[in-house]
Amino acid sequence: NAGVTQTPKFRVLKTGQSMTLLCAQDMNHEYMYWYRQDPGMGLRLIHYSVGEGTTAKGEVPDGYNVSRLKKQNFLLGLESAAPSQTSVYFCASSYGGLGLSTDEQFFGPGTRLTVL
Amino acid sequence: AQKITQTQPGMFVQEKEAVTLDCTYDTSDQSYGLFWYKQPSSGEMIFLIYQGSYDEQNATEGRYSLNFQKARKSANLVISASQLGDSAMYFCAMSPGTGFQKLVFGTGTRLLVSP
Repeated sequence: NAGVTQTPKFRVLKTGQSMTLLCAQDMNHEYMYWYRQDPGMGLRLIHYSVGEGTTAKGEVPDGYNVSRLKKQNFLLGLESAAPSQTSVYFCASSYGGLGLSTDEQFFGPGTRLTVL
Repeated sequence: AQKITQTQPGMFVQEKEAVTLDCTYDTSDQSYGLFWYKQPSSGEMIFLIYQGSYDEQNATEGRYSLNFQKARKSANLVISASQLGDSAMYFCAMSPGTGFQKLVFGTGTRLLVSP
């Protein structure tokens, strides 16, 4: 089991460029999440998905889009990157089957994105 | 809205000693869950321990225990017998007790364990 993997690990963009971050999990989890981590601010939820074909906004969704076409994959897109989107992005997944608060989230290794 | 506060930006402890990392929370929910995650310098997020708001006993996982004081809205992490490998960032987080789990994280505490 690879768990949760993220591609790429590092990326540098110029302002206005677009890119897609890929998250994949092999644990058959229903729920998937995208977070961003900025210095001194902890992790903040960008978007999440409760199942294949569904997505929803989190705390800081502006400037991002997501898609969950396959259960195992959750894509995060930046259509027109801005310097404010320089951050470390984490994907996570959880079983979600029972909707319990004990449902542990498993995190990927993160993607460090710099927007110049 | 839920909020997590971690007031200690950094903590120092000597190897083999115990350390307490503070976490206070604010929520109007009656049912909620509290989590602690560890983030080593390598960057990954590692789940440590969970406490449900209706759990009467404090959660324990090996050297980790959660000192849950509901009336004070605090959920402090206690690490006993610190090891050098415990040096990391530690994040407290909470989620609603029912339905979808949307974690709200604190700003973290950096723990440094010295020999």
